Amino acid sequence: QVQLVQSGAEVKKPGSSVKVSCKASGGSFSSYAIGWVRQAPGRGLEWMGGIIPMFGRTNYAQNFQGRVTITADKSTTTAYMELSSLRSEDTAVYYCALDSGSSGLFDIWGRGTLVTVSS
Amino acid sequence: EIVMTQSPATLSVSPGERATLSCRASQSVSSNLAWYQQKPGQAPRLLIYGASTRATGIPARFSGSGSGTEFTLTISSLQSEDFAVYYCQQYNNWPLTFGGGTKMEIK
Repeated sequence: QVQLVQSGAEVKKPGSSVKVSCKASGGSFSSYAIGWVRQAPGRGLEWMGGIIPMFGRTNYAQNFQGRVTITADKSTTTAYMELSSLRSEDTAVYYCALDSGSSGLFDIWGRGTLVTVSS
Repeated sequence: EIVMTQSPATLSVSPGERATLSCRASQSVSSNLAWYQQKPGQAPRLLIYGASTRATGIPARFSGSGSGTEFTLTISSLQSEDFAVYYCQQYNNWPLTFGGGTKMEIK
């Protein structure tokens, strides 16, 4: 059973960048897709984008185009999500999630990483 | 982008009762519809995919139905651990989109 372990909470200044990691263990990382979903405080879920590590192919939500970069390191079975030009509205919990069928369906989720953007 | 609309926003139900949650898509998503459960401070958990297939380990009291644009999640007899927020998500088209959620609370 694959497990996803995310990096710890971050506090960032407006205008800076944050990079969140998501390490997969217990499965064949490369054959899956990894998606990133965020949740602002008290709000719903918002898909940001995803990657298929085997091919390095990425797909981003238009809302984040140009600000988000998703990468993966097959050697360490770790995916990364970097969000730049941070603003207060980016304060949220950022989840990585496993899409084992590369279909957009998230069957396993990480525990989330809280990113707080504050001056 | 496909807009997913869930109703009601909040549902008050007594333990042991049946609960029915609705999800509507702005255009057809075929059967590519999932339901997730989220408890406070936790990540979402996959309950249903393909509109009606329970994910591994999900109790039989959870059932999903529908296709096209109208979907329903039914919990046949609510247990205390079922009080949570439920989200639907379409994975028929990119970008992937979620509904706004239905909060299930104890009556």
